[in-house]
Amino acid sequence: DIQMTQSPSTLSASVGDRVTITCRASQSISNLLAWYQQKPGKAPKVLIYQASTLEGGVPSRFSGSGSGTEFTLTISSLQPDDFATYYCQQYDGFSGLTFGGGTKVEIK
Amino acid sequence: EVQLVQSGPEVKKPGQSLNISCKGSGYGFSNYWIGWVRQMPGRGLEWVGIIYPGDSDTRYSPSFQGQVTISTDRSISTAYLQLSSLKASDTAIYYCARRISGYFPFDFWGQGTLVTVSS
Repeated sequence: DIQMTQSPSTLSASVGDRVTITCRASQSISNLLAWYQQKPGKAPKVLIYQASTLEGGVPSRFSGSGSGTEFTLTISSLQPDDFATYYCQQYDGFSGLTFGGGTKVEIK
Repeated sequence: EVQLVQSGPEVKKPGQSLNISCKGSGYGFSNYWIGWVRQMPGRGLEWVGIIYPGDSDTRYSPSFQGQVTISTDRSISTAYLQLSSLKASDTAIYYCARRISGYFPFDFWGQGTLVTVSS
């Protein structure tokens, strides 16, 4: 199974801050990496897929980069609506659609 | 409008079984994979398994293989997750979600079904 390691697990930031979350895969997954946002009591919502493609309707302050085993999600200027938990997910094949452990973005 | 509507919350006793349903509408149900994801209380997301309604091709996470059964009834655009021999540790929210192919992630999710297992 491909393992996904996400860091940090918790992040405290202020409105307007630039925020970066990292996800590492235990083996190369090409660019088959997605980022999801989850708010309390809600289902996850996809933000980015294929490592860097923004899902329709997602604000442009969100961006993704990386390939192979190392990936990042960046929020260029954190907004009040962005306080949530973020998950990466590899989808390189059906043997495992593994999620990272999650990063909770909290208000500083 | 695309919708994935899941069945309602369940309260079960240890050892019992249950089926959670996920009904798709607003898109070609047979043409999208339906996956299941577990979220234990206060924890992260875990992929359970996935099924392609077009031909019932089914894959399971090794962590859940043998513990759950995924099925589909194309005639009513519904996928199912069966949990058997329930334990307290099966208490979680279970989500269904769709994906078009192996090159894309889950792009639409159900609202989640809370399963509580308690004696």
